[in-house]
Amino acid sequence: DAGVTQSPTHLIKTRGQHVTLRCSPISGHKSVSWYQQVLGQGPQFIFQYYEKEERGRGNFPDRFSARQFPNYSSELNVNALLLGDSALYLCASSLQSQGDYEQYFGPGTRLTVT
Amino acid sequence: GIQVEQSPPDLILQEGANSTLRCNFSDSVNNLQWFHQNPWGQLINLFYIPSGTKQNGRLSATTVATERYSLLYISSSQTTDSGVYFCAPSPFGNEKLTFGTGTRLTIIP
Repeated sequence: DAGVTQSPTHLIKTRGQHVTLRCSPISGHKSVSWYQQVLGQGPQFIFQYYEKEERGRGNFPDRFSARQFPNYSSELNVNALLLGDSALYLCASSLQSQGDYEQYFGPGTRLTVT
Repeated sequence: GIQVEQSPPDLILQEGANSTLRCNFSDSVNNLQWFHQNPWGQLINLFYIPSGTKQNGRLSATTVATERYSLLYISSSQTTDSGVYFCAPSPFGNEKLTFGTGTRLTIIP
């Protein structure tokens, strides 16, 4: 079975631009979460979606938004990019049923803002 | 939110050595995962262990939820074990994983 997939793998943008990152969960998983990992730190939680509803939001500005589609794939959008948004963006999916909350991560999208 | 502390921050060992990585957390947890992040950034699931002990080959983990800590044991280290190890608990009623700052493990041949 395919794992979590993310696209694109790398992206270079200029300050002030907008970016859309995409994630496809493991087949059968209905929950998708997004994390940001800056160099030298652990990942930080941005959003969680379950059955197309937002279930959690981390401490990120309103420039960050996300959505989940009927096929459970997800997009993360970031507006008005800042240099500090340069990071590895990770998507994770989980089953979230029958007590199984284990999260599985995709390979990430490395965003560079210049 | 949950505070997570991992120790040691860095560990350099000879191939074949054993190691113990520790994770302390500040609140009751519903979920705790250990990950290995490889040099390309991929987070690899090691254990899903909110409580108890699990073993997988040379690796094992123990979580003592009542005392709010978890341990990851690596035996007979290999160079491929090098990388950053993260502990990530999540509290009851919330699936958000909170990551520690990680332990960077370097195995020297």
